[in-house]
Amino acid sequence: GAGVSQSPRYKVAKRGQDVALRCDPISGHVSLFWYQQALGQGPEFLTYFQNEAQLDKSGLPSDRFFAERPEGSVSTLKIQRTQQEDSAVYLCASSPRDRVGEKLFFGSGTQLSVL
Amino acid sequence: AQKITQTQPGMFVQEKEAVTLDCTYDTSDQSYGLFWYKQPSSGEMIFLIYQGSYDEQNATEGRYSLNFQKARKSANLVISASQLGDSAMYFCAMREDSNFGNEKLTFGTGTRLTIIP
Repeated sequence: GAGVSQSPRYKVAKRGQDVALRCDPISGHVSLFWYQQALGQGPEFLTYFQNEAQLDKSGLPSDRFFAERPEGSVSTLKIQRTQQEDSAVYLCASSPRDRVGEKLFFGSGTQLSVL
Repeated sequence: AQKITQTQPGMFVQEKEAVTLDCTYDTSDQSYGLFWYKQPSSGEMIFLIYQGSYDEQNATEGRYSLNFQKARKSANLVISASQLGDSAMYFCAMREDSNFGNEKLTFGTGTRLTIIP
């Protein structure tokens, strides 16, 4: 596809369930990011990959959050034992270079609601 | 202290008028980048414009320009000749470059812009 694709678009989970959110970056893009956007707020950084290497995971809020990009393309953000405070939009972004420079390409996000 | 401050939660502007969205930032880094992104109701963040801290001229991209005042730590977005399609949330963001390998952006809380026909 032409842009960054995220699935599912919407996810409803019961508290305590595990969820997996998928990101398909633009083909060939080296850098990949995950951001969390709470309602009415700006996005907050979660983690960053350069190819398959996770170079920065300082934004992951707890050890319940785990991200991977095993082949340097598709990435999955996994949240274990979901809590209500995990409800947010999860945005994925990619960039063609290893040094991000000026521009990120964002997907439309996955809206997670934890009941 | 907030790294990025956007003091205008919402703005209403008449179509075809120019609009300025405010952004101030806080950093002790000498090297940094400033960004503006647009987020329509579809949710996708769309890159608008970038300004590097060492760029001497204000960045421009079509109808968008960034009014960069380094001493004031201000990076306001100016949209000329506003259009109905400009109605969206606008986010200012910063990347601090002093730590090698730091690629994360810090975003403000955004300004909701509504263009009135």
